[in-house]
Amino acid sequence: GAGVSQTPSNKVTEKGKYVELRCDPISGHTALYWYRQSLGQGPEFLIYFQGTGAADDSGLPNDRFFAVRPEGSVSTLKIQRTERGDSAVYLCASSSWTGEAYGYTFGSGTRLTVV
Amino acid sequence: KQEVTQIPAALSVPEGENLVLNCSFTDSAIYNLQWFRQDPGKGLTSLLLIQSSQREQTSGRLNASLDKSSGRSTLYIAASQPGDSATYLCAVKGNQGGKLIFGQGTELSVKP
Repeated sequence: GAGVSQTPSNKVTEKGKYVELRCDPISGHTALYWYRQSLGQGPEFLIYFQGTGAADDSGLPNDRFFAVRPEGSVSTLKIQRTERGDSAVYLCASSSWTGEAYGYTFGSGTRLTVV
Repeated sequence: KQEVTQIPAALSVPEGENLVLNCSFTDSAIYNLQWFRQDPGKGLTSLLLIQSSQREQTSGRLNASLDKSSGRSTLYIAASQPGDSATYLCAVKGNQGGKLIFGQGTELSVKP
């Protein structure tokens, strides 16, 4: 596609529910990143894929968060037993390398609200 | 652990003014530094990328400088316009891995 697509754009869920957030990167981009942005803060790294494998998942806050990229393109961020503190904008980005020679392209994000 | 700080957190200027946004980072072992723009409810748009071996990059009215040894970068915006109003974020990439470490951003408002 022309850009990084994230769906849904907005998600409201009840505390304790399970949610899935989807990212469709630019075609051919091998690297894919998930970030979380709270109000008034910069994006915070969660996880990074190179192809199908998670190259760095050090930013995942706890074991309620999990992400997959089974075919090396679309990725899904999964959050179990959601808590109100999970409310944030979840941003996805892709790049053709690891970002060393090319800049990142970010999606518009999914705004998650846990009530 | 790398930490990135941006000062000021918010800035309001009249149209036409030149301005400087500041970014500092604690670990000078970076691979590159990027400046991004973020409009409300939107994703990030990359403005300028400076490799660690470079001192500055220019694009139109924007100029970004990098002093790796002192852990500082500045984004200079010339002849500011209301359309420049947005949040500006700087981010550094370390020498290993692909993740970016972001500052908290500077919210810029340019008044007509």
